[in-house]
This record gives sequence, structure tokens and C-alpha cells, in this order.
Amino acid sequence: GENVEQHPSTLSVQEGDSAVIKCTYSDSASNYFPWYKQELGKRPQLIIDIRSNVGEKKDQRIAVTLNKTAKHFSLHITETQPEDSAVYFCAVGETSYDKVIFGPGTSLSVIP
Amino acid sequence: DAGVIQSPRHEVTEMGQEVTLRCKPISGHNSLFWYRQTMMRGLELLIYFNNNVPIDDSGMPEDRFSAKMPNASFSTLKIQPSEPRDSAVYFCASSLTGGHYEQYFGPGTRLTVT
Repeated sequence: GENVEQHPSTLSVQEGDSAVIKCTYSDSASNYFPWYKQELGKRPQLIIDIRSNVGEKKDQRIAVTLNKTAKHFSLHITETQPEDSAVYFCAVGETSYDKVIFGPGTSLSVIP
Repeated sequence: DAGVIQSPRHEVTEMGQEVTLRCKPISGHNSLFWYRQTMMRGLELLIYFNNNVPIDDSGMPEDRFSAKMPNASFSTLKIQPSEPRDSAVYFCASSLTGGHYEQYFGPGTRLTVT
């Protein structure tokens, strides 16, 4: 089955700096790559997603880049703010049905 | 829409007791997912339904766990008998179907088995 890894597991940055989280997967047939943010004590929420026919997608301070050949994709957060502090999960969608497999998560701390 | 609704929000029970978690998906969403979240194992998919039919239950830990979806607006996850290692936050999520859409998570049920 699909194997999803995330790096780093924890990340601490100064406010205003950029943060990058990388996710790798094993199934070359996967074609859907979302990122979810989970604040402490809250539910996961989708922040951005990308499909295999697109190499990069941006939404204000957040961007995701995809390298299908290398089977990895990354989340980029620019001009980080304290409210960006959370656990970020990448996920990979299988070609059949609607399920995704979540990575183990990256805990991001933005230091004011 | 009120979003995905889960009940109870917190459940404390003794080992050996039966536990039933409930979920009401967003109206119009045909896919429903049950997840378990722990520090050790992260966010695990237990089972998911499409149009009320279980599609993949490979994540269900063992026979003590069972899930049903009798209609499009209600699903249950049952643990019988419960064990301390079942302590976790259980999330229900729903989405549209047919092409990888955003999953909307409920607030979760925090289960503690003593």
C-alpha cells in the first residue's frame, strides 16, 4: 500500500521567516495531494491541495510544489505568523475512490 | 449547514464496556470516513463509506471494532469490548465523491478507556 513520509517532524521558525515541509510517497499512480492544518485541540482543515496535472499552486502566503518524477511534494509558507503554529499533515490520494493516506504530521512553531 | 456533527464529544468508560460513537455528515456528501488519532500512530483511516456502502475497512484494528451507515445522514462506530489502548480522538469526516474532494472533519470524540 501507499507509504507517506513527512520531514521534518518538528520545525521552529522566527516570525516572518519561511517554512518548508516535505512529503514523500511511494505509489506513482497517486494523483491527489492535499495539505491539512490542525491547530491544538481542533479538527484538521484543508489549506491547499494540488493534482498531478499541476506542478505548483499558490494561495496567498501558502504554496505547494509537486515533483511527480521524484514522488515528493512540499508545502511552503512565507512570512510566517504566530497563528501559523499548528501541526501540518500532508496526504496522498489513491487513484480509486476518495480516500487519502495521511502523513505523520509536522509540528510547526512560529516564534514571535 | 452545521458541518459534520459528532457525538458524544467526550466519552470516559471502563475497560470491557461497549462504546458507540455517532456521526452525521454534511448533507449531500456521499463519502464518509472514520479516523483515529493518537500521538503514537498519527491520523489513521479506519473505514470509509461511499453511498452508505463500506468500501475499505482495512484500517479497522480488529473484530472489536465495527461501523455502520444505515442511511446517508448517519453513521456509527462501535467498540465492543473496549480496551485502554483504544483511548484516542476519533474523527468522522465527509466529502463529495468521485474525484478527490476536500474532507470536512467533525469536532472529534475524545475516548478514554480506563
